[in-house]
Amino acid sequence: QQQVKQSPQSLIVQKGGISIINCAYENTAFDYFPWYQQFPGKGPALLIAIRPDVSEKKEGRFTISFNKSAKQFSLHIMDSQPGDSATYFCAASLPSNSGYALNFGKGTSLLVTP
Amino acid sequence: EPEVTQTPSHQVTQMGQEVILRCVPISNHLYFYWYRQILGQKVEFLVSFYNNEISEKSEIFDDQFSVERPDGSNFTLKIRSTKLEDSAMYFCASSWSSSNQPQHFGDGTRLSIL
Repeated sequence: QQQVKQSPQSLIVQKGGISIINCAYENTAFDYFPWYQQFPGKGPALLIAIRPDVSEKKEGRFTISFNKSAKQFSLHIMDSQPGDSATYFCAASLPSNSGYALNFGKGTSLLVTP
Repeated sequence: EPEVTQTPSHQVTQMGQEVILRCVPISNHLYFYWYRQILGQKVEFLVSFYNNEISEKSEIFDDQFSVERPDGSNFTLKIRSTKLEDSAMYFCASSWSSSNQPQHFGDGTRLSIL
């Protein structure tokens, strides 16, 4: 069972444009939704995260929009730059007192063209 | 900025052999994780470790796998009898709290089983 569904699989955006990546989840008990950025040969790096009591979170050019009733959340990258070209993963986790497992989406390969 | 360090960066092993992947988590972190990423696929949770014991494990983490924190700084993943399908990138991650604080990932060990 795929707990977090991510789309699109790949995305090409022109420099200065807006990149939008969407995720949907099934388990309403999830309470933490991070986005990770991964460059080739590197590990995933946390970009931004949101809790379900907030509908939007913005950090610089990156914004998470969260729709609890629709069980969806999305990443918006404003003014996309070639350096943003990477694979982006959404994830979700359950509350835990002893460590939490991240359930990742399948990833979106973003290419920002000059 | 402190980081998670993994060694080796690439491990080539014959099928059936034992392999140990090593990780040095961030020094004040208390929660430790292993994930794997088969080429071109999503990152998958293997196991979480807290207070010197496994707190959660996935279906992938069968009897062939074990984890250990042999001293105050290292965290290891052992695969007892490797199979071809164990070929993947293995990522170690750590967090200082379980309350959905960010997990910081290392750059991974590429495991190739021949």
